[in-house]
Amino acid sequence: GESVGLHLPTLSVQEGDNSIINCAYSNSASDYFIWYKQESGKGPQFIIDIRSNMDKRQGQRVTVLLNKTVKHLSLQIAATQPGDSAVYFCAENKFKGASYDKVIFGPGTSLSVIP
Amino acid sequence: ETGVTQSPTHLIKTRGQQVTLRCSSQSGHNTVSWYQQALGQGPQFIFQYYREEENGRGNFPPRFSGLQFPNYSSELNVNALELDDSALYLCASSLGLGSSTGELFFGEGSRLTVL
Repeated sequence: GESVGLHLPTLSVQEGDNSIINCAYSNSASDYFIWYKQESGKGPQFIIDIRSNMDKRQGQRVTVLLNKTVKHLSLQIAATQPGDSAVYFCAENKFKGASYDKVIFGPGTSLSVIP
Repeated sequence: ETGVTQSPTHLIKTRGQQVTLRCSSQSGHNTVSWYQQALGQGPQFIFQYYREEENGRGNFPPRFSGLQFPNYSSELNVNALELDDSALYLCASSLGLGSSTGELFFGEGSRLTVL
């Protein structure tokens, strides 16, 4: 069945270093791939997304890379800050009729930033 | 802040009871999705409502039901509660057709504990 998963459940990085969070997906029909950030006690928050016809997209301090050949998605965070400490979820979405189909989330990677 | 509000924030029920969770979507959003998030896991899709009709359902039994009202607010009802229903229930609104990505805007969730 459809699934989106992550390679590592936890990641620790030194403040100021770059972080790379990886994700594997299985549904080649997805139209969009999305990264969400969830801080403790809060709902997930959109970070960045990428269309399935792209391989790279950059935002503020974040870059998402999509490799459709190996069905791999990654999130790079530049100059990681303590405020980046959270659980990061990759998710996939596809258009269906009048709206979008369900967004499927992976299990999450917990990022800890060491001051 | 996403503009999505959920109530109650916390509640405790016993097995066999029924619960209703409420969600007010962000202004202008016509699509509401509900997710169940068990501790340490990614959100699992329950169902989605688009313009007051169910527009997709995940792998949840019929005792999970919902409603969307003309103002696009929504309810999630769970009957015959089981211990495994203990989780964070997240509501997310989106623009549906008006969105280029189907980006979800999440509330902070309702934490349900079933004893």
